[in-house]
Amino acid sequence: DTAVSQTPKYLVTQMGNDKSIKCEQNLGHDTMYWYKQDSKKFLKIMFSYNNKELIINETVPNRFSPKSPDKAHLNLHINSLELGDSAVYFCASSPRGEKLFFGSGTQLSVL
Amino acid sequence: QKEVEQNSGPLSVPEGAIASLNCTYSDRGSQSFFWYRQYSGKSPELIMFIYSNGDKEDGRFTAQLNKASQYVSLLIRDSQPSDSATYLCAVIDGGYQKVTFGTGTKLQVIP
Repeated sequence: DTAVSQTPKYLVTQMGNDKSIKCEQNLGHDTMYWYKQDSKKFLKIMFSYNNKELIINETVPNRFSPKSPDKAHLNLHINSLELGDSAVYFCASSPRGEKLFFGSGTQLSVL
Repeated sequence: QKEVEQNSGPLSVPEGAIASLNCTYSDRGSQSFFWYRQYSGKSPELIMFIYSNGDKEDGRFTAQLNKASQYVSLLIRDSQPSDSATYLCAVIDGGYQKVTFGTGTKLQVIP
């Protein structure tokens, strides 16, 4: 069983569209994250949730809205997609906010 | 802005040699330090963590931490072509338990 699974793996869409990425973890971890990795491979934290509560909200455009219906799920909805949103988005989970276990990533391409 | 810095490389070493990867961090309150390995097109995976000054060994990997110099390194002994990947240094600050990544060092092990 995949520990941290995110879908879809690839997402190709037009500018201005709205899209969602879903993430689920079966590790029983309390903390989940969204990271964005740009073309230069820099991993930047976007959001972190602990037991469904938002604890880290970095300087991210408000077009990005995370939602955690329960501690095993963390979704990311993006409105009005822009070219600069093209990147790989990684979901991760962690016990006690330390060691990160990553999903396989979602390659988002905005055309 | 709390930063984690790494030389982007590529660092090229011959097979069987020792690869030395370095990382410096700006936040003196940082508590925990991690090394992740990321193969091309894959997600990062944790390979080492260290909390106290000194060395920590795990198989062919040794992590070294010097908090006074704000410096953490990863040594890979008997480097293999399968070690060719990008190595990401990550640091947890003492406040919000936020994991901040360096830009990564690309390692190439030449057969």
